[in-house]
Amino acid sequence: AQKITQTQPGMFVQEKEAVTLDCTYDTSDPSYGLFWYKQPSSGEMIFLIYQGSYDQQNATEGRYSLNFQKARKSANLVISASQLGDSAMYFCAMRERTGNQFYFGTGTSLTVIP
Amino acid sequence: NAGVTQTPKFQVLKTGQSMTLQCAQDMNHNSMYWYRQDPGMGLRLIYYSASEGTTDKGEVPNGYNVSRLNKREFSLRLESAAPSQTSVYFCASSEVPTVNTEAFFGQGTRLTVV
Repeated sequence: AQKITQTQPGMFVQEKEAVTLDCTYDTSDPSYGLFWYKQPSSGEMIFLIYQGSYDQQNATEGRYSLNFQKARKSANLVISASQLGDSAMYFCAMRERTGNQFYFGTGTSLTVIP
Repeated sequence: NAGVTQTPKFQVLKTGQSMTLQCAQDMNHNSMYWYRQDPGMGLRLIYYSASEGTTDKGEVPNGYNVSRLNKREFSLRLESAAPSQTSVYFCASSEVPTVNTEAFFGQGTRLTVV
């Protein structure tokens, strides 16, 4: 079974609008962390935001927030007030307490339309 | 801060040739990783090293070997390159395996095997 599932290969959003990128995960470990990374066309991997499994509140970092629904095992990334520079590939990832790996999804390509 | 440095950035190999991808980090991290990124498949773990002196196979280890030379350096070797190994390779590092620490990535190596 896939540890991380991203079902949206591509998304479009109008500049200044909000967009939600979906991520679901699968784990039996009660302790885990969820991460979102951005990969612009230049290729580097940029860490955006983190959510711990025991965190009571949804994580926020500037225009990024994570909609964490533990019972549904989803960790969707919300980008508010989209900018042209947000056009990139976005990856959801998970790290479990009982392992040393980061598991990545297949990514969502976001295009911001002027 | 250099962070994670990978060399080379680009490489073209002929089928059957060998090469070593170099990775070094200056953040005193214990854990280091090698991923490959292919279109539509996200990042897949090739090998990782939880600490100096240890290495473990990831999801796609066939055709690769690794060496954790010291705490800073983790190299990936292709003994006999195949066209199926055409990919973008990323080295990453992170703190001791706790769920709340992100992975830091190098700039990637774009490898083409002809």
